[in-house]
Amino acid sequence: DQQVKQNSPSLSVQEGRISILNCDYTNSMFDYFLWYKKYPAEGPTFLISISSIKDKNEDGRFTVFLNKSAKHLSLHIVPSQPGDSAVYFCAASGSNYKLTFGKGTLLTVNP
Amino acid sequence: DAMVIQNPRYQVTQFGKPVTLSCSQTLNHNVMYWYQQKSSQAPKLLFHYYDKDFNNEADTPDNFQSRRPNTSFCFLDIRSPGLGDAAMYLCATSDKTRGLYQPQHFGDGTRLSIL
Repeated sequence: DQQVKQNSPSLSVQEGRISILNCDYTNSMFDYFLWYKKYPAEGPTFLISISSIKDKNEDGRFTVFLNKSAKHLSLHIVPSQPGDSAVYFCAASGSNYKLTFGKGTLLTVNP
Repeated sequence: DAMVIQNPRYQVTQFGKPVTLSCSQTLNHNVMYWYQQKSSQAPKLLFHYYDKDFNNEADTPDNFQSRRPNTSFCFLDIRSPGLGDAAMYLCATSDKTRGLYQPQHFGDGTRLSIL
């Protein structure tokens, strides 16, 4: 049973445009959400996180939005750059601090 | 730079031959994790150490074991690897002394192949 779902295996956007990556979760006990970026042959790199007491967190070009009632979060990248091309993983945790990951979305930013 | 280092990056072993993967960290984090990731799948937590306390996931096969001799090092032992154990193995750390909401930091992984 997948508790964290990323329904889009891939996404392609033009350089300079906005990239929106989506993630849904089913476990209402999750209260901390993270996005990781992964390049080929490297481990996941922490990008940005949000706790359930907030609905938005921003860090430079990256913004994460959390809609608790819909059990949905999204990552916005503005403006998108070719170097952002990677697999993006959504992850969630509850009080046990263990992460549950989605399967990832491959983002391709075209020059 | 403080980091999580996994050795080797690529490991080939024979069916049934024990293999050990290693992870070291210079972050001085108190929690260390091992994940298994197969192609196009989400990373799956195998077990973790909270300080010296070992925590096994319920569905982690008995074939997989771990050792943490000190804060900096953690090992993953696969006693009798089967073809289904071919995967990327990721080590991660986190610092729970700073509070509950801390991200995990990952190494670059070890790609394990079984002949």
